[in-house]
Order: sequence, then C-alpha cells, then structure tokens
Amino acid sequence: AQKITQTQPGMFVQEKEAVTLDCTYDTSDQSYGLFWYKQPSSGEMIFLIYQGSYDEQNATEGRYSLNFQKARKSANLVISASQLGDSAMYFCAMREGQSMVDKIIFGKGTRLHILP
Amino acid sequence: ETGVTQSPTHLIKTRGQQVTLRCSSQSGHNTVSWYQQALGQGPQFIFQYYREEENGRGNFPPRFSGLQFPNYSSELNVNALELDDSALYLCASSPDRGPEAFFGQGTRLTVV
Repeated sequence: AQKITQTQPGMFVQEKEAVTLDCTYDTSDQSYGLFWYKQPSSGEMIFLIYQGSYDEQNATEGRYSLNFQKARKSANLVISASQLGDSAMYFCAMREGQSMVDKIIFGKGTRLHILP
Repeated sequence: ETGVTQSPTHLIKTRGQQVTLRCSSQSGHNTVSWYQQALGQGPQFIFQYYREEENGRGNFPPRFSGLQFPNYSSELNVNALELDDSALYLCASSPDRGPEAFFGQGTRLTVV
C-alpha cells in the first residue's frame, strides 16, 4: 500500500535561511508522481512542485526544489531564502501512475514557522 | 488562483442532518476528486468522478455520495451527519493530461 511519511510535525526557521522538509514514501509501483503542497491557514491547498518517478533531474520551481533520491524513496522539499509568507503547513503527496483512479495520498504534514 | 471554487466556505449542521457541498472545477477538467481533511491531518481521498461517472472511491461509507455535471460543477452529499464528519472538505480538479491537481479553498463543515 502507498504511504507517505513526514517525520517533522513542526519546524522553526529564521527568515532568509534555507529549509529542508523531509518526506519518505513507499510504493510498489515503478511509475508514480510526487508532489508538495502548501496549505496556509485559509485552507487552500497550493501546488508547489512535482517530480515524476522517471524524471532524472530534480524538479525546481523558483525558490522550491525537490531533492529526489529514488533508491532511498525520499523526496525532500528545499525552500531557499525563506520568507515570512512561507509560514504554513506543507504536505508531501504521491499519486501512482498505473492507477486509473486519480487519487493522491498525503502525508500528515509539517508546520513551518518562519521567524523574523 | 487555481480556478476551482467551493461553496459554502463554512457550514454548521446538526448531527443526523444532510449536507450538500459544491465545487466548480476549471473548464476542460474532466476529473474531480473530493477529499476530507480532519483537523491536524492530511487530506483523505473520498471519491473521484470522471465525465460524470464515479470511477474510484476511498474508505468512506455510502452515506458519502457525489454528482458531477457537464458544466464542470460537482457536489458532495453527506447523509446522516456524524460528529466525526466535522472537517475541511476539499475539491480538486485535474486535466486529462498533466500531473497536477488543482484544489479549491475548501468548505469547513462543523457538525454539532
């Protein structure tokens, strides 16, 4: 069965520092996709970055990068030069590529606090 | 802005009542999924609709049901509400091609 594990319930980081949010996953599929979402207190789930299991390069989107280590089944999110607006819940998620059902499995999340 | 809107944003219902939550997906997105997010947890998949047919369901009882309409709107219906149904309900729409799922802002349901 699919599983996403986020071991950091909360993190405090000084503004402008880089931060790494940890994520490990478990799947028996060869084809899958990994996501990171940001959820501010308003509730909306904001898409940040996507990595396909066959992508050889780590995904990057502006200040966000995904450190994909396939052999370790690890997909950590790196935020460079953190800003106060980065304070939010962050969810790692996965979708299996072979499934006909467009279901995304989420981890329990990491609450990130950026300190001024 | 994801182009996915949900209504209402907040709702309070009494145990045993029925509720309908609504979602308007992005135009051209034929897949809509619904998720339940309990406080302090990640979202859990309820079910998915593709071109007005349910084609996948998570571990939720039959009193959770849905509809998808040709105009890219959809509904989540919950009958016989229980206190544990209190949660944020998220709707997500996906294009036929591409990996992304675009979420709405959610409906926060409180059952008292």
